[in-house]
Amino acid sequence: GAVVSQHPSWVICKSGTSVKIECRSLDFQATTMFWYRQFPKQSLMLMATSNEGSKATYEQGVEKDKFLINHASLTLSTLTVTSAHPEDSSFYICSATRGGNEENIQYFGAGTRLSVL
Amino acid sequence: GESVGLHLPTLSVQEGDNSIINCAYSNSASDYFIWYKQESGKGPQFIIDIRSNMDKRQGQRVTVLLNKTVKHLSLQIAATQPGDSAVYFCAEILRGYSTLTFGKGTMLLVSP
Repeated sequence: GAVVSQHPSWVICKSGTSVKIECRSLDFQATTMFWYRQFPKQSLMLMATSNEGSKATYEQGVEKDKFLINHASLTLSTLTVTSAHPEDSSFYICSATRGGNEENIQYFGAGTRLSVL
Repeated sequence: GESVGLHLPTLSVQEGDNSIINCAYSNSASDYFIWYKQESGKGPQFIIDIRSNMDKRQGQRVTVLLNKTVKHLSLQIAATQPGDSAVYFCAEILRGYSTLTFGKGTMLLVSP
């Protein structure tokens, strides 16, 4: 159990376009979903925390208008990188918690590699 | 250990050896810790967790030790296998919060 699916796994886009990344909890309802960004050989940096039906909470320094998060259901959260530029190229990873006895354990998707040309 | 720039601390071991990966934290309010394994190009995978009211927890081939006095956490992997090669991150949650803060990571290389 606790499978998190992320799609697409890899995307290349032109500068100025927008890219949407989906994160789904496949076998559980996620109480909370999280979005991270990771540069090569570095650690994961939390971008935002997302709860179903409410606005996402963004970490300091993360542009809300640049990284739009929609959490429409208990199993789906999306991250849209708007007007992407080469500096947005990175590995984006989502995670989800399923509450209960495992309320603090985050289960991660496989990540999305974004390359902006 | 600390990483400098793009350099990840690396631990190289032989297959069958025991591995010990260390993590230091600084906040006394850290209440919960998780070890994750991340293979190249993939998302982190949960390994084991421990609460601050414990000092040891064992899983299958893995043991986590927590020393609150010196704010130190370690992951011990018994009989390390080539499939254990990955980057290992410790992550912490502060009391009263739900967000994870990840450490810098250690790359484990297991040679046959």
